[in-house]
Amino acid sequence: SQQGEEDPQALSIQEGENATMNCSYKTSINNLQWYRQNSGRGLVHLILIRSNEREKHSGRLRVTLDTSKKSSSLLITASRAADTASYFCATDWYRGGTSYGKLTFGQGTILTVHP
Amino acid sequence: DGGITQSPKYLFRKEGQNVTLSCEQNLNHDAMYWYRQDPGQGLRLIYYSQIVNDFQKGDIAEGYSVSREKKESFPLTVTSAQKNPTAFYLCASSFAGESYEQYFGPGTRLTVT
Repeated sequence: SQQGEEDPQALSIQEGENATMNCSYKTSINNLQWYRQNSGRGLVHLILIRSNEREKHSGRLRVTLDTSKKSSSLLITASRAADTASYFCATDWYRGGTSYGKLTFGQGTILTVHP
Repeated sequence: DGGITQSPKYLFRKEGQNVTLSCEQNLNHDAMYWYRQDPGQGLRLIYYSQIVNDFQKGDIAEGYSVSREKKESFPLTVTSAQKNPTAFYLCASSFAGESYEQYFGPGTRLTVT
């Protein structure tokens, strides 16, 4: 399985602090994506980083990708109580130069931001 | 409004009954997906479809069936052969081919007793 594994499983911080979540995966990828899920809801796409990119920013989000270590990190700066959610990384199924369109999700990191 | 809808939000069934979960999208996406999520877990792929009238098994297809007769619709049937059907089911869609971002519906929570 090339399922991503997130670390830590749970993270509790105060509003205004930064939150860093890590994701490791096992095989070649074309891209890696991060999603957010509020409790009992569907997932929302946050950011996609391609295998030839090392860093990407979107608002208060910063994602890095190290393909040599097969790992990625998601940094949320100046966190808010509204950032409380589960965060998942997802890797695409990539074989022989072809991306098959399906994603494999990690177990997720539960982030709690206290006001 | 463009989006992806799932119905119903909550579904209760007795053991031994088949049940069909609805998923509709008006995003003009070719690809659609069904995932299962258990408490505290990530998503596991059940079935996916890249084009109308074609679909492939995911990692946990046993006990499930799908159809893709229309581009907009990808219903999932949970059959009585599925040993642990109680779970949160999520449908998603995306452009086909390369891995584009997936758009998720709000989910259906199925409880089988």
